[in-house]
Amino acid sequence: QSVLTQPPSVSGAPGQRVTISCTGSSSNIGSGYEVHWYQQLPGTAPRLLIYANTNRPSGVPDRFSGSRSGTSASLAITGLQAEDEADYYCQSYDSSLRGLVFGGGTKLTVL
Amino acid sequence: QITLKESGPTLVKPTQTLTLTCTFSGFSLSTIGVGVGWVRQPPGKALEWLALIYWDDDRRYSPSLKSRLTITKDTSNNQVVLSMTNMDPMDTGTYYCAHRLEGGLVGAPFDYWGQGTLVTVSS
Repeated sequence: QSVLTQPPSVSGAPGQRVTISCTGSSSNIGSGYEVHWYQQLPGTAPRLLIYANTNRPSGVPDRFSGSRSGTSASLAITGLQAEDEADYYCQSYDSSLRGLVFGGGTKLTVL
Repeated sequence: QITLKESGPTLVKPTQTLTLTCTFSGFSLSTIGVGVGWVRQPPGKALEWLALIYWDDDRRYSPSLKSRLTITKDTSNNQVVLSMTNMDPMDTGTYYCAHRLEGGLVGAPFDYWGQGTLVTVSS
């Protein structure tokens, strides 16, 4: 059971917009700790996609965006492409656990 | 250019101690603000943070695994070593080392990752 809760799967057709939620609690996201998002393509290491809630590292397309509100955060992907099919993970810090926490991951299927 | 690479045994027996080495380039662990961490992933399952070591030798561990983990650094050789005692089949998975994004963020993300090394625990 992950500290951060994500839907196991989401799907969308090419060109559509999808969102992935990440729900935490008062000891992590709700305390104001930043949320980060990773993309993991099959058989590869995770790739940082969004950091500090809304920021994209160099090289990440602007089709990817993040937001945070209250005890939750969301990753939005617009203009879905087949290459976006991957697992997506959120990550934050938890003050009760005094450590980094990940979500359970969401598998994105492009129909 | 920052790169990291994990090395160590691919197979360990239950109760044995696992020792993994992360060899990196493109940054120095003696630079203020720098950190290197370990994350693992059981087959088909989610990422799990294990440990993190900072430039000043501050060490942080996952509370659930703290009693079994030791992280150390060898700054002169650009290496970070993770040891995990009393290995169990449930510890089977891919182990990644990663560079912590520099800056003032508490719980900063990992911006560069190694390719990972698959460790199987079996007798």
